Amino acid sequence: DAKTTQPTSMDCAEGRAANLPCNHSTISGNEYVYWYRQIHSQGPQYIIHGLKNNETNEMASLIITEDRKSSTLILPHATLRDTAVYYCIVRAPDTGTASKLTFGTGTRLQVTL
Amino acid sequence: DTGVSQDPRHKITKRGQNVTFRCDPISEHNRLYWYRQTLGQGPEFLTYFQNEAQLEKSRLLSDRFSAERPKGSFSTLEIQRTEQGDSAMYLCASSLRLAGGSYEQYFGPGTRLTVT
Repeated sequence: DAKTTQPTSMDCAEGRAANLPCNHSTISGNEYVYWYRQIHSQGPQYIIHGLKNNETNEMASLIITEDRKSSTLILPHATLRDTAVYYCIVRAPDTGTASKLTFGTGTRLQVTL
Repeated sequence: DTGVSQDPRHKITKRGQNVTFRCDPISEHNRLYWYRQTLGQGPEFLTYFQNEAQLEKSRLLSDRFSAERPKGSFSTLEIQRTEQGDSAMYLCASSLRLAGGSYEQYFGPGTRLTVT
């Protein structure tokens, strides 16, 4: 799976949009971009994933550049409960053996009043 | 609650003792994963099962570690002769393959192991 690069930490004011960047310049054509987050003392939580097109769900939006070498996770109205470590993960389609998630150290997002 | 559950949530043991953790996945999920997470790091993959078959093991999974999923439902992770370096959060996740080659893993709350 391709390696990802994320900033170590970011701050965001409550109510504002949080934009978390991720670089994945070595991504292959069939690899997906996944985002998970981990709130303190909890297991990671799936947020969203995409291949080429931008994606949106009830939690967030995922913007993938046209060359697919980077992406941005957008939390449109951050709240204090969004304070967490956010992981950007690139992974191949499920071939049966390429099933694991490879986490980096992620971005620690601190949402403040 | 129909999410992934893990038991116990916390375990303190003395070096050299054996410990066993249990994971109950989401009921219809056929894949189950174990990860380990140390302080300040992201989770690291240990092993995964599809139904009862163990399909992949990480090099992190030394001979002292063994995982089972005997009936393709719950799984156990046993650590024999624990060492202080085994102190970590042990996370379990489950997934169900979706059409199109993408799928999501759902994580449990983890078991925090402290070896004294």
